[in-house]
Amino acid sequence: GENVEQHPSTLSVQEGDSAVIKCTYSDSASNYFPWYKQELGKRPQLIIDIRSNVGEKKDQRIAVTLNKTAKHFSLHITETQPEDSAVYFCAAREGGGGADGLTFGKGTHLIIQP
Amino acid sequence: GAGVSQSPSNKVTEKGKDVELRCDPISGHTALYWYRQSLGQGLEFLIYFQGNSAPDKSGLPSDRFSAERTGGSVSTLTIQRTQQEDSAVYLCASSLSPAAYEQYFGPGTRLTVT
Repeated sequence: GENVEQHPSTLSVQEGDSAVIKCTYSDSASNYFPWYKQELGKRPQLIIDIRSNVGEKKDQRIAVTLNKTAKHFSLHITETQPEDSAVYFCAAREGGGGADGLTFGKGTHLIIQP
Repeated sequence: GAGVSQSPSNKVTEKGKDVELRCDPISGHTALYWYRQSLGQGLEFLIYFQGNSAPDKSGLPSDRFSAERTGGSVSTLTIQRTQQEDSAVYLCASSLSPAAYEQYFGPGTRLTVT
């Protein structure tokens, strides 16, 4: 089955700086890679995702890059703000209607220092 | 519109008792997923429903766990003879169809087994 590794486990950055979180996956058949943000005590919220037919996707201050050859993908947050503080999870899934759910990384606790 | 809802939000039970957790997916979503999130950990996929059918139950942690879905809508996850290691947040997610990639999560049920 799929295995997703995520690092770092904790990331502290100054407000206004950029943050990068990296994930690797094992199953070359995986073709969908979402990122979720989870604030304390709240549900995971989908913030951005990428499919295997593209290498990069941007949405305002957030971007995701995918390297299928190396089987890794990254989340980039620019101009970080206090409200970006949360736990971020990457995930991978073999898309196209398979019976598998998402395989998640263990999460990155992002701390934005004022 | 209404998102995924789950009940109860919190459940405290004694070891050995049975519990039932409920999930109401987004209206019209045919695919439904159950995940478990242990303290400080990522999400672990448990089971997936397409309509009322669960094609693969191998993700359930033990035979004390079962799940069903009726009417293509509400799903229940039942844990029999609960153990302390079952303590976790149980999250439900739904997507428009199995071929749709995006999964939207409910708020979860925090289960504590004493």
